[in-house]
Amino acid sequence: AQSVTQPDIHITVSEGASLELRCNYSYGATPYLFWYVQSPGQGLQLLLKYFSGDTLVQGIKGFEAEFKRSQSSFNLRKPSVHWSDAAEYFCAVGHYYGGATNKLIFGTGTLLAVQP
Amino acid sequence: EPEVTQTPSHQVTQMGQEVILRCVPISNHLYFYWYRQILGQKVEFLVSFYNNEISEKSEIFDDQFSVERPDGSNFTLKIRSTKLEDSAMYFCARGQGENTGELFFGEGSRLTVL
Repeated sequence: AQSVTQPDIHITVSEGASLELRCNYSYGATPYLFWYVQSPGQGLQLLLKYFSGDTLVQGIKGFEAEFKRSQSSFNLRKPSVHWSDAAEYFCAVGHYYGGATNKLIFGTGTLLAVQP
Repeated sequence: EPEVTQTPSHQVTQMGQEVILRCVPISNHLYFYWYRQILGQKVEFLVSFYNNEISEKSEIFDDQFSVERPDGSNFTLKIRSTKLEDSAMYFCARGQGENTGELFFGEGSRLTVL
């Protein structure tokens, strides 16, 4: 069965420091992978996605993620965190049915706090 | 401006009451989804809706849940007889025109069942 694991429930970093949020997935085929961000009281905003091709993908707000098939990982990174990045981050794998539906399976999320 | 607008943003209801949550996509798309997030838990898939029919539903989506798109625009989720455990944030999402995989979520409707 498909699943997504985000091992870090809560991470605190200092503003300006680098960030890496971990994500591991279990999926039988080539996965579609996503990172979403949820600010307090807001919906889920797509940060970036991986479908195929270059394994290092760039997203919005200066985020990037690297797909590593050998490690079944899709970790999210940012070289310098800003206070506005404080939010909850969700990794998701897409189960694509080829035109009828696409079900996203989410991880439990990582709550990021940013210290001044 | 959000891709998807959801109403109400917050609803409080008594157990056993019917609730209807609404979703209005800005663009005309065929793929729609409902997800829910119980407080402190992961976002869970409920149902997908394609070309005015349910294409897949999860185990959570039992007989007390229904979806429809009655006027070709609004996409609704109805809970017939709410239970305490239905308290959650409910997210509507739409897919891309060719269903490339990414979903665009609304800001959610928080349902509190007392």
